[in-house]
Order: sequence, then structure tokens, then C-alpha cells
Amino acid sequence: QQKVQQSPESLSVPEGGMASLNCTSSDRNFQYFWWYRQHSGEGPKALMSIFSDGDKKEGRFTAHLNKASLHVSLHIRDSQPSDSALYFCAASLTGNTGKLIFGLGTTLQVQP
Amino acid sequence: GALVYQYPRRTICKSGTSMRMECQAVGFQATSVAWYRQSPQKTFELIALSTVNSAIKYEQNFTQEKFPISHPNLSFSSMTVLNAYLEDRGLYLCGARGRGAETLYFGSGTRLTVL
Repeated sequence: QQKVQQSPESLSVPEGGMASLNCTSSDRNFQYFWWYRQHSGEGPKALMSIFSDGDKKEGRFTAHLNKASLHVSLHIRDSQPSDSALYFCAASLTGNTGKLIFGLGTTLQVQP
Repeated sequence: GALVYQYPRRTICKSGTSMRMECQAVGFQATSVAWYRQSPQKTFELIALSTVNSAIKYEQNFTQEKFPISHPNLSFSSMTVLNAYLEDRGLYLCGARGRGAETLYFGSGTRLTVL
């Protein structure tokens, strides 16, 4: 069973719109989360981490974690065509381990 | 900032041959290096995790005999794919993390094609 599930599989938003991506861990031991973005032909780039309940904001990106439900979301406001990429949620047992478990990703397309 | 370089970016090898890929951390000391393989379907598989002063830990389905890894210092790691076959195709990613740091930074990967 996939320990980290992401939804939707793909998403299309207009330029300037809000994109919302979801991630859930099926294993209660995985409580530390990261969001990565991968453009075609590149490796995944870390966007942000979130370890505590509530919101964490970095620029246009806001992550929200609910530890009780093991649900984390990523919201991108004022989406730009350059945000079009594959977004991965990754979870870990601890906050400082190299062993990340990745979801299957959400493909985001921002329409100009 | 933390940067991770991988080379070569892409490589083609004949079935049954071996190839070596390298990973360099710049701007930080890579106390922990994780090697992943990303399939053509974009799924990630952790191959092994190397932490300074600890033995390299391989994940199930991956062995040192097939994927020997070297992590000789805090800025460099290499991995070899021995006796490569079609099922070894994919994007091999090196992720490095600094001492006490939380985030794993990835390079651009080495794309392996096996003919």
C-alpha cells in the first residue's frame, strides 16, 4: 500500500488562480512532511517543510498540516505558468532523516 | 545556498555493462546522502542511505553487490550500477542533507538508458 497518497493526480488552474494540492499519510509514524517540485528534465527541488499543526507560509506558497488526520496540503496563490510542474509530497519518520517516502505526485498545469 | 551536482546528466550503456555516477555537495557538508531511483512513471524508490560514521543501509530489493556506494568525504558520493539491465533504467537521484538539517536537497539526476 502506498504510504503517502496525493490528490488530485493532475490539476489545471488559470494564471493568477489558486492551486490546491493534497497529501495524506496512511502510516501514523510518518508525521514530518515536505513538498517538492520537479520540472521536466530536472531533479526535485524542495519547496518547504512542515512539521507542526497549522499553516506555514513562504511567499506564494502555503502549507497546512493536520497531524490528527495526517493530512497536509499545499496552496499556491497567484499561480504562474512557471509553476507548471510535478509536485511531490514526501513524508518521514523524523525531521532529520534522509529516508523520505514520496507520493506519486500531482501534475499542475497553469494556463496562461 | 545548498547545491547538489550530479554527473553525468545522462548515460547510455549496453546491457550487462556497468556505469558509475557521481554526486557533489556544494555549500554545505553532506553528512547524509540518499540515492533514489525515479522510474519512467515518476515513482521514487530509495536505494540506500549513507550517513557519515555509519554503515550504508540498503533498502529491500537493492544490494551493495548491485549498487555499490562510496561516501568518502562530506562533499562527495558515488554509486555504480553493476551489470545493468533494462529494469535498471531510470533517473538516479542523489539527495544530500547537512548536519542537523532537515531538508534533503537533490541534484538533477543521472538518467540511465540501457540498450
